[in-house]
Amino acid sequence: DAMVIQNPRYQVTQFGKPVTLSCSQTLNHNVMYWYQQKSSQAPKLLFHYYDKDFNNEADTPDNFQSRRPNTSFCFLDIRSPGLGDAAMYLCATSINRGADTQYFGPGTRLTVL
Amino acid sequence: GDSVTQMEGPVTLSEEAFLTINCTYTATGYPSLFWYVQYPGEGLQLLLKATKADDKGSNKGFEATYRKETTSFHLEKGSVQVSDSAVYFCALTGVNRDDKIIFGKGTRLHILP
Repeated sequence: DAMVIQNPRYQVTQFGKPVTLSCSQTLNHNVMYWYQQKSSQAPKLLFHYYDKDFNNEADTPDNFQSRRPNTSFCFLDIRSPGLGDAAMYLCATSINRGADTQYFGPGTRLTVL
Repeated sequence: GDSVTQMEGPVTLSEEAFLTINCTYTATGYPSLFWYVQYPGEGLQLLLKATKADDKGSNKGFEATYRKETTSFHLEKGSVQVSDSAVYFCALTGVNRDDKIIFGKGTRLHILP
């Protein structure tokens, strides 16, 4: 089945130790999104790629970076995780931006010790 | 700016009860409206959507009607099951290509056997 896959499902890192989260899709969608979701809150958009065009949200900290080497893969890099970065990270895709439905992966739960 | 307001939870119901989760929105133009569901430990899944006034979205026994006159998109189900226990997010996207999805804060639903 076509889907959005995130690895790992659970990631534990130490304060200040860089970490990379992975997302892949078999939907061949143009747009890939990264969201941060903290407990009992709605997802918060960090950034998205429209094809190779990177679009950062104004309030996304510089500590968060992303790479999209090809259509299928997108990575979230957290350069120096702080305790406040512990959250669920959700990847999503859509055919185009705007009103298109977004398809979410299962998420990676990040713990920072 | 555009916004989504949904009833606060948690909502606790007995199995086979009737469910309504209220959602109202503020937006310019004619947004697309969505309900997403998030089961424990999982990412978001699209439950249903409607793209124009008076459209009814439906899936898995859930329904919601796009009401332009009351700017509402209330989620209903006639007979809930324990497996419906989850967090439900109402959301909208605008008509412009650069519009982002805007989520409500989510409503946690507990169904008791």
